Amino acid sequence: DIVMTQSPLSLPVTPGEPASISCRSSQSLLHSNGYNYLNWYLQKPGQSPQLLIFLGSNRASGVPGRFSGSGSGTDFTLKISSVEAEDVGVYFCMQVLQTTFTFGPGTKVDIK
Amino acid sequence: QVQLVESGGGVVQPGRSLRLSCAASGFTFSGFAMYWVRQAPGKGLEWVAVISFDEINKYYADSVKGRFTISRDNSKNTLYLQMNSLRTEDTAVYYCARDVRQQLVCGPDDWGQGTLVTVSS
Repeated sequence: DIVMTQSPLSLPVTPGEPASISCRSSQSLLHSNGYNYLNWYLQKPGQSPQLLIFLGSNRASGVPGRFSGSGSGTDFTLKISSVEAEDVGVYFCMQVLQTTFTFGPGTKVDIK
Repeated sequence: QVQLVESGGGVVQPGRSLRLSCAASGFTFSGFAMYWVRQAPGKGLEWVAVISFDEINKYYADSVKGRFTISRDNSKNTLYLQMNSLRTEDTAVYYCARDVRQQLVCGPDDWGQGTLVTVSS
């Protein structure tokens, strides 16, 4: 199975400041079709997870423009250009290349 | 809008069975792959199973393979998870989710609110 790691595991943020989370996979997630099969999710406190970014860099419907995904192969980054208070929660990356899908351990984001 | 409503959770003894259902509405159910993902209390997310839009392909996590069966009834817009030989480590909130892309497998997009399964004697 592909192992997913994230860093940091805890991220205190200041509203209005940028923030970024790293995700690494034990194998390349680059498909022959040119897409990286890596998604990002946010689980806000007490809620179900929500999709932020799919296939590496595509923002999901309704996701604010301050969220962006980048990277290729085994190294990926989720960036928040200007953090808002509503962005607190746990962020997960997930590989969807191999059909034994795996999530990263999660990065807990809270306000300083 | 997309709605996914899970049901069937509860308390069950180890070794027993349970069947979860997920009623879908607001989209063309037969056009999308569907997922089950679970979350143990205070833990991260664990993918459980996925079924293709046409029911041809089904894949399972190693932790549930041979014990759980994913299925769907496209005429009833409903996804199922039959869970047999339950273990205490299967205790979790179980979410159903729809794929982000029609007729493809690109990962979960819309999620239900989840149903809690507790395996305890």
